[in-house]
Amino acid sequence: NAGVTQTPKFRVLKTGQSMTLLCAQDMNHEYMYWYRQDPGMGLRLIHYSVGEGTTAKGEVPDGYNVSRLKKQNFLLGLESAAPSQTSVYFCASSRGTGSSGNTIYFGEGSWLTVV
Amino acid sequence: ILNVEQSPQSLHVQEGDSTNFTCSFPSSNFYALHWYRWETAKSPEALFVMTLNGDEKKKGRISATLNTKEGYSYLYIKGSQPEDSATYLCAFGGSNYKLTFGKGTLLTVNP
Repeated sequence: NAGVTQTPKFRVLKTGQSMTLLCAQDMNHEYMYWYRQDPGMGLRLIHYSVGEGTTAKGEVPDGYNVSRLKKQNFLLGLESAAPSQTSVYFCASSRGTGSSGNTIYFGEGSWLTVV
Repeated sequence: ILNVEQSPQSLHVQEGDSTNFTCSFPSSNFYALHWYRWETAKSPEALFVMTLNGDEKKKGRISATLNTKEGYSYLYIKGSQPEDSATYLCAFGGSNYKLTFGKGTLLTVNP
């Protein structure tokens, strides 16, 4: 019962490097999300997708790009990493919107450090 | 910008104590209120999703209430155990259908 799986779990990047975080869900969910968690702050939405082939900006989208080429996968890209992007990144998915009462299912998080 | 406040920020209790914490959210454009339990290095785990004023939900020793008119929800833990130690997150769902999370309450239960 995999649920939401994120890779990699840990990564150290140098400033200016690029990388992609991969998220996969096996629940056939339409909605997928990328959040970041920083000390002293709530989870903040970076980008989200309401279905295959769609993406939209969340609360803190700058410096990130996303793609949802397949329904089960949602990729988060950092084109030129900056120290301000040091954070824990969570992928999540849901059948419908959280506001409609649908449970959001989270991955275990990806710890990214940019030096 | 939606304001979702959780209090206290952190809490230390002894094993066996009962405890509760609060989530405050806008009382207008309310659609849903979520509670999650998060242990570091694990996935945040959904506890409850509540959508109606007056909702009360229970899962084992954990329960939650909802007051949408005054904009607050309480999470109660009865007879706390060390394994209850975690960060408890609430999230408000409004008319823009995205969830806004609070900063969480860090609970530590001492044996």
